[in-house]
Amino acid sequence: DAGITQSPRYKITETGRQVTLMCHQTWSHSYMFWYRQDLGHGLRLIYYSAAADITDKGEVPDGYVVSRSKTENFPLTLESATRSQTSVYFCASSESRLGNTEAFFGQGTRLTVV
Amino acid sequence: DAKTTQPPSMDCAEGRAANLPCNHSTISGNEYVYWYRQIHSQGPQYIIHGLKNNETNEMASLIITEDRKSSTLILPHATLRDTAVYYCIVRGGGSQGNLIFGKGTKLSVKP
Repeated sequence: DAGITQSPRYKITETGRQVTLMCHQTWSHSYMFWYRQDLGHGLRLIYYSAAADITDKGEVPDGYVVSRSKTENFPLTLESATRSQTSVYFCASSESRLGNTEAFFGQGTRLTVV
Repeated sequence: DAKTTQPPSMDCAEGRAANLPCNHSTISGNEYVYWYRQIHSQGPQYIIHGLKNNETNEMASLIITEDRKSSTLILPHATLRDTAVYYCIVRGGGSQGNLIFGKGTKLSVKP
């Protein structure tokens, strides 16, 4: 099906573990984004990518690593998970970063770090 | 930081129009006004966007003032399923093309 999908939908991991959240889109959109959402902070941008092999930091990049070897995939890795990274993570994609182009969001991954 | 100001919450009676205001007094000439909503814990859903003219689609209408310093999202016949947090976002291009979310307006549609 066309769209943007995130996996897993739910994840529980232990402090110090590495965990990777997956994001896949079928539109061949150039731009992809990762946000986290916490109570009291709304959605905050972690990283974004303009194209394959081009990534850049957003507002809250510390503790996260991204890669984009293929246009359709944009995985987010927590190299050593901490409790403060417990959050809901949303991936989004957009055809471009021009102001006249809407972005579409996935359904989110709820991550709990214990 | 978000470039918009919205009331934290609003109520609307089912079947009535919901008018959600947004102030964006520092908007630049090439920046668009976007509206998204988030129902419960789902991913944000695109509603509508505009530059200077009023826009309408199957979900809503967007009214932008002539000076572009404020706008109103109108849901013409609100239903209980429209209960959500509504985000007004100013989005430019290039380095300003990221969507920066504020706290939004929590709209509660009541029977």
